[in-house]
Amino acid sequence: GQQVMQIPQYQHVQEGEDFTTYCNSSTTLSNIQWYKQRPGGHPVFLIQLVKSGEVKKQKRLTFQFGEAKKNSSLHITATQTTDVGTYFCAGYNFNKFYFGSGTKLNVKP
Amino acid sequence: KAGVTQTPRYLIKTRGQQVTLSCSPISGHRSVSWYQQTPGQGLQFLFEYFSETQRNKGNFPGRFSGRQFSNSRSEMNVSTLELGDSALYLCASSLEVRGSTEAFFGQGTRLTVV
Repeated sequence: GQQVMQIPQYQHVQEGEDFTTYCNSSTTLSNIQWYKQRPGGHPVFLIQLVKSGEVKKQKRLTFQFGEAKKNSSLHITATQTTDVGTYFCAGYNFNKFYFGSGTKLNVKP
Repeated sequence: KAGVTQTPRYLIKTRGQQVTLSCSPISGHRSVSWYQQTPGQGLQFLFEYFSETQRNKGNFPGRFSGRQFSNSRSEMNVSTLELGDSALYLCASSLEVRGSTEAFFGQGTRLTVV
């Protein structure tokens, strides 16, 4: 069945370095959402991308939706310790909604 | 506005017992979804209720069941608890069907089965 694959599983960076997580689907998606879960917390919605090739920015975070609407990425510029957490993508299509397995980001000060 | 409220926050149960978890969605939200989260397993989808009807169901045994009331509040029940059911159970509400609009998660119920 349709799944959303997310890589990498873990990423350790030094504060100030950039970070990227990737999400891939085997089929075309209607939209893709991104969530962040801080340690000990619950997932919090970050953004939803709908259009092919869409790029959205939130301060140091840049979200992209692929031209074929099968992949997406989240890029963080100059990470800070407040960026620590697990980032999940979630793809939606034809009443099917799948969460990726998440990328756990650790930032060393 | 008030967020998604899950009760209880923590629960310890013995193997073989049953448990009921509660979720109060954001006012006006019609969809309530339940997820199981264990370390290293991500978010495993249990089921979604929309306007009191189960819309989708994940790959969990029949011991896991749920329902939604007319006020959109939802309950999840797990019968004959097993040690492997120990997890964080998250409830998420959204305005429309799961995935079409943003989901708001509750803080979760941490269930420990001993």
